[in-house]
Amino acid sequence: ETGVTQTPRHLVMGMTNKKSLKCEQHLGHNAMYWYKQSAKKPLELMFVYNFKEQTENNSVPSRFSPECPNSSHLFLHLHTLQPEDSALYLCASSQAISVWTEAFFGQGTRLTVV
Amino acid sequence: RKEVEQDPGPFNVPEGATVAFNCTYSNSASQSFFWYRQDCRKEPKLLMSVYSSGNEDGRFTAQLNRASQYISLLIRDSKLSDSATYLCVVNGTGGFKTIFGAGTRLFVKA
Repeated sequence: ETGVTQTPRHLVMGMTNKKSLKCEQHLGHNAMYWYKQSAKKPLELMFVYNFKEQTENNSVPSRFSPECPNSSHLFLHLHTLQPEDSALYLCASSQAISVWTEAFFGQGTRLTVV
Repeated sequence: RKEVEQDPGPFNVPEGATVAFNCTYSNSASQSFFWYRQDCRKEPKLLMSVYSSGNEDGRFTAQLNRASQYISLLIRDSKLSDSATYLCVVNGTGGFKTIFGAGTRLFVKA
C-alpha cells in the first residue's frame, strides 16, 4: 500500500459541479503538495502546506480551493471548472519544506471536465 | 528560457544499450537535484538523488555540472523495464522552489 493515498482515482465532472479530491499520507510528513500534470507539460505546483499552514499558492484560479485540516490530510475542492482543467492531479508529501528531500506521490486523480 | 529543460524524446533503444539524458536548469542558485521515474499513467517515484561528485546506483549514473548548469542520467545495459519517462527535478530553497522538468520518454525494445 502506498504511503500517500488519493481518492478518487478517476473523476468526470460537469462544469457546474462541485467535487473534492482527497489525499491522505501515512508517512508522518509535515509538508503536503498539490500538483497538476497535463499531457506533455511539466508538473505544475499548485499549493504547498507546511504543518497545516498554506505556504504557497502558485497563482492558481479560485475555482480550486485547498483545505488541510491536519498534517495527514489534504483536500482540493473543485467548483465550476473548465475543460482545460482536465488533467492528472497529484498529491505529494515530504518530511518538511525547509530541507527538500524525497517527495512521495499519490497515484493521482485523473480528472475530466465535460 | 525554461527553468528546467529536458529533451522530450522519445529515445528508442535496444535492450543492452547505453543511453544518456541531460537536463539543463536556469537558476544558478539551485541546490539539490534529483531524477524521478514515471511509468505510464502512474505517479512519479524517486530514482536517485544527484550529488556534486556524481553517484552511481547499479546501472544508473547521475552527474552534476554546476558550471554548465546541467545534470545527466546514464543508463547502462538497458532493460525492457527501464521504459518510462524520466523527470529531472531541481530544487532551490524550500519545497515550493522545486521545479520539475517535462520529462524524457524512453522506450527500450527487445
